[in-house]
Amino acid sequence: DVVLTQTPPTLSATIGQSVSISCRSSQSLLDSDGDTYLNWLLQRPGQSPQLLIYSVSNLESGVPNRFSGSGSETDFTLKISGVEAEDLGVYYCMQATHAPRTFGGGTKLELK
Amino acid sequence: QVTLKESGPGILQPSQTLSLTCTFSGFSLSTYGMGVGWIRQPSGKGLEWLANIWWDDDKYYNPSLKNRLTISKDTSNNQAFLKITNVDTADTATYYCARTIAAPSRDFDYWGQGVMVTVSS
Repeated sequence: DVVLTQTPPTLSATIGQSVSISCRSSQSLLDSDGDTYLNWLLQRPGQSPQLLIYSVSNLESGVPNRFSGSGSETDFTLKISGVEAEDLGVYYCMQATHAPRTFGGGTKLELK
Repeated sequence: QVTLKESGPGILQPSQTLSLTCTFSGFSLSTYGMGVGWIRQPSGKGLEWLANIWWDDDKYYNPSLKNRLTISKDTSNNQAFLKITNVDTADTATYYCARTIAAPSRDFDYWGQGVMVTVSS
């Protein structure tokens, strides 16, 4: 199975600060169809996960544009440009290029 | 508006079969490219993908659960189902269903609220 390693495991930020989360894959996530199926999700406390970004850099509808995704092959980054209080929670990367789908271990974003 | 809601037994005993239902609205599993997946999360831990079922009845399972999983659907009633046989305490978790789209690919764009399942003797 593909192992996704997220760093850091915990991130402390102040409101307005920009932060980045890394997701490294044990295998290239570039699919034979040319797409890269790496998504980012946020799980707020007590809530279900929600999709933020799909296929590395595509912003899901309704997600604020302070969220952005980048990367290729095995190294991916989620950036939040100006953290807001509603952004607190656990962020997960997830890959769907290789079976079975796998998730990263999560990065908890908390207020400093 | 897309919504999904999971239902299940709440508590069951080791060795029993867990049956989960996902009732959804706002999309159809008879539409090309649509699918439903099941994901679980033990309390305080991360996410684990279990299975997907697609509009054409293609099914995919997580091999880590070996042959314990069966996913199915009832297109007429907008429902998807997951059965897990021979449960044990390690299956205690919140179980989510989520919509997935094959083309263009967008995995798990809508999630249910989750249903807590406890396996205990």
